[in-house]
Amino acid sequence: GAVVSQHPSRVICKSGTSVKIECRSLDFQATTMFWYRQFPKQSLMLMATSNEGSKATYEQGVEKDKFLINHASLTLSTLTVTSAHPEDSSFYICSVPGQSSHEQYFGPGTRLTVT
Amino acid sequence: SQQGEEDPQALSIQEGENATMNCSYKTSINNLQWYRQNSGRGLVHLILIRSNEREKHSGRLRVTLDTSKKSSSLLITASRAADTASYFCATETDNQAGTALIFGKGTTLSVSS
Repeated sequence: GAVVSQHPSRVICKSGTSVKIECRSLDFQATTMFWYRQFPKQSLMLMATSNEGSKATYEQGVEKDKFLINHASLTLSTLTVTSAHPEDSSFYICSVPGQSSHEQYFGPGTRLTVT
Repeated sequence: SQQGEEDPQALSIQEGENATMNCSYKTSINNLQWYRQNSGRGLVHLILIRSNEREKHSGRLRVTLDTSKKSSSLLITASRAADTASYFCATETDNQAGTALIFGKGTTLSVSS
C-alpha cells in the first residue's frame, strides 16, 4: 500500500495567523488527494478534493478562500488554513486513493490548535 | 455528509471477548469498507466487502453485509488490548474507485486486559 506522510503532526498557532499543512504521497504519484477534518470524538468529514494541476473541489460549507489547497506536484498537496480561528482547531487528515484498489491510504494527521 | 449511523458509539470489553460493531448506510453501494483509527492517528484500511458478498473474513475480523437492510457489521473475535481503537465504516461517493469516502460516525472500542 501507499505511504502517506503529513507535516507537521502538531501545530499551535495564534488566532489570525495562517498555517500550512503538507501531505505527501511517498511511493506513488497521486493526481488526486483528499482532505478531511475530524473534530474530537467525531467522524471524518470531507473538506475538499485536491487535483494535481487544477483547482481543488470543495464540499458544501467549506470556504475555499479560508482553506487554500495547492496540488502543484504529483506527490504533494498542501492545505493552508488562513486567518485561523479557535473554531478551526481540529484534526486534519489527508488521503490518497489506491491506484488499483478501492481502499485509500491516510496520512497520520495534523493536530491544529488555534489559541 | 455522513453515510449513516454506527452503533454502539462506544464499546468496552475484556480481552478474549468478541466485539461487534454495526453500521448502516443510506444509499446504494458497490462496496463497503471498514477502517481503524488509533487515537490521534490516521486511518488504516481493514477490509472491503463488495455488494454481492454477504460475508468476508480476514484473520480475526468478520464482516457481514445486508444490502436489503443497508447495514454491515464488523466482528472482532478474541479481542486483544491492542484492538483498542475507533472503527469506521465507509462507502465511496459516486460508487467509484478513487473517489472520496463517506464515513459513519464510528465505534470506539476499548479492550481491557
